[in-house]
Amino acid sequence: KQEVTQIPAALSVPEGENLVLNCSFTDSAIYNLQWFRQDPGKGLTSLLLIQSSQREQTSGRLNASLDKSSGRSTLYIAASQPGDSATYLCAVSASNYQLIWGAGTKLIIKP
Amino acid sequence: GAGVSQSPRYKVAKRGQDVALRCDPISGHVSLFWYQQALGQGPEFLTYFQNEAQLDKSGLPSDRFFAERPEGSVSTLKIQRTQQEDSAVYLCASSLGGGAGVFRNIQYFGAGTRLSVL
Repeated sequence: KQEVTQIPAALSVPEGENLVLNCSFTDSAIYNLQWFRQDPGKGLTSLLLIQSSQREQTSGRLNASLDKSSGRSTLYIAASQPGDSATYLCAVSASNYQLIWGAGTKLIIKP
Repeated sequence: GAGVSQSPRYKVAKRGQDVALRCDPISGHVSLFWYQQALGQGPEFLTYFQNEAQLDKSGLPSDRFFAERPEGSVSTLKIQRTQQEDSAVYLCASSLGGGAGVFRNIQYFGAGTRLSVL
């Protein structure tokens, strides 16, 4: 059974720092991996999607990498801003629809 | 519509009451998903529809949970005889679906319904 783990559970850093969030999964037979952002009282927003054949994806200040063989993904956030404060979740898919989620990393960027 | 809409945003139920949660997906989206998210946890898959057909209901925790999408658009998640352990945020998502292609399968989420059972 696929299990997804995110470390750390919470992270607080000063504005401007670069930071890395980690996601690990137990079964390397995945279809894709996604990183989502969740703001309080709002839905989940997809940030980046990495297909199983890809090694990384970039969007603005965000870069996500995928190493299927080791069952790891990282989300790198450059030059963090207070508006980046949110919970970040990763989810893996073993099919074209069902997502298995980590518990998330709660990120606080201090001004 | 512009996004996935869920109602109500908050629901307080007494233990034993029946509740119905509504989801309006993005217009034209074939696939619809329900998730349950407990406090401090990631979402857990409940069920999946393609148009009006419920193709996977393996995540529904008990026979008290029932979902429908009779006309292939709006969906309702019904919980009968609510229990305290049903307290959670219920998320609905939709995607274009309808075939292969990873971007057709990106899921767009509503803001959720927070259910509190007293």
